[in-house]
Amino acid sequence: SQQGEEDPQALSIQEGENATMNCSYKTSINNLQWYRQNSGRGLVHLILIRSNEREKHSGRLRVTLDTSKKSSSLLITASRAADTASYFCATDAITFGSGTQLTVLP
Amino acid sequence: NAGVTQTPKFQVLKTGQSMTLQCAQDMNHEYMSWYRQDPGMGLRLIHYSVGAGITDQGEVPNGYNVSRSTTEDFPLRLLSAAPSQTSVYFCASSYSGSGSSYNEQFFGPGTRLTVL
Repeated sequence: SQQGEEDPQALSIQEGENATMNCSYKTSINNLQWYRQNSGRGLVHLILIRSNEREKHSGRLRVTLDTSKKSSSLLITASRAADTASYFCATDAITFGSGTQLTVLP
Repeated sequence: NAGVTQTPKFQVLKTGQSMTLQCAQDMNHEYMSWYRQDPGMGLRLIHYSVGAGITDQGEVPNGYNVSRSTTEDFPLRLLSAAPSQTSVYFCASSYSGSGSSYNEQFFGPGTRLTVL
């Protein structure tokens, strides 16, 4: 079974809008990571948040972690067409969810 | 640095054939792992290694063997290919394994395997 599950499975927005993706997990973790996968490519690490952190920023990315609810969210602000990709959360970098397919329309 | 490299990029096998997927990294990472990615399933861990000479099973190890004789290489062997092993296979490496804060994983470009 998969530890992390992303929601929604698919998301379509206009360029310039914000995109929010959620991840829920089942057991306690040391850290949670978000990855991006462009079509036909390997995964690329975006950001890591430790279990004792609540929020982290990296450029246009903002990640939150709520360990009491066992959930995390990834916010991409001012989205661009180049952000079109699948986004995965991974708990302790071992167990990946099934991903959110983000499409940013120009 | 080349990062994580995988060969071949594409492979077609017949049921019952064996083959080895190659993975190498030049970042001196201790931790390496193999995943398979099926449509709508995300990535599932097949086998992993925390260092040379040490390997362990992941979520879906059946039908696959691994060995880790050097820090750089982590080949994945399919002993007798089955259609259920049709998938995209990714190799990854990181500075350290699960439980540490310093385990951003670096992924290879993947091997697309079809078993007829």
